[in-house]
Amino acid sequence: RKEVEQDPGPFNVPEGATVAFNCTYSNSASQSFFWYRQDCRKEPKLLMSVYSSGNEDGRFTAQLNRASQYISLLIRDSKLSDSATYLCVVNGGGGADGLTFGKGTHLIIQP
Amino acid sequence: GAGVSQSPSNKVTEKGKDVELRCDPISGHTALYWYRQRLGQGLEFLIYFQGNSAPDKSGLPSDRFSAERTGESVSTLTIQRTQQEDSAVYLCASSRSRTERRYFGPGTRLTVL
Repeated sequence: RKEVEQDPGPFNVPEGATVAFNCTYSNSASQSFFWYRQDCRKEPKLLMSVYSSGNEDGRFTAQLNRASQYISLLIRDSKLSDSATYLCVVNGGGGADGLTFGKGTHLIIQP
Repeated sequence: GAGVSQSPSNKVTEKGKDVELRCDPISGHTALYWYRQRLGQGLEFLIYFQGNSAPDKSGLPSDRFSAERTGESVSTLTIQRTQQEDSAVYLCASSRSRTERRYFGPGTRLTVL
């Protein structure tokens, strides 16, 4: 099993819709979790951290389910500018640099 | 303040030549990382520097790859005798510590002909 797994997509979603995607991780000792966003031909940028109790930032909601070892990202009222690749990142997952990156989920918001 | 900078932004080279990529981390960030991202792929960890400690080179794909960092400043990634499979975007990131938020530079797009 890969350390961090994501559905690569693409997810094609109409503007204004709600979209959610999950990420599973294999190391139960993982301690912290993040969602990064990467635009085409750009570097990854932190979107939000994921806290145990779940957290919300505007239209974005992140959830953590430790029992099932997955995190989720929900985007409400999606905008064209949300089109990007969303990387699930796990800290403490055993990677040499302390982070394990998922390969990302490609999201396309359609007008 | 200034973010992580990398140079050059693009590099085209011929197979067999050596290339040197540069990363300027955010001032005060003791941790510095190099990653490789091939087209349409995820991030591949290459090497990690933490302060003055010996770097973790466990991600370097071959002995053609090496990296240096002087103290907590600039780092250079060197690829010797480049091969076509080395073509990728090389991303540098820095953070205040291994467990804190990571800031990425814009990357160097390397094309080996």
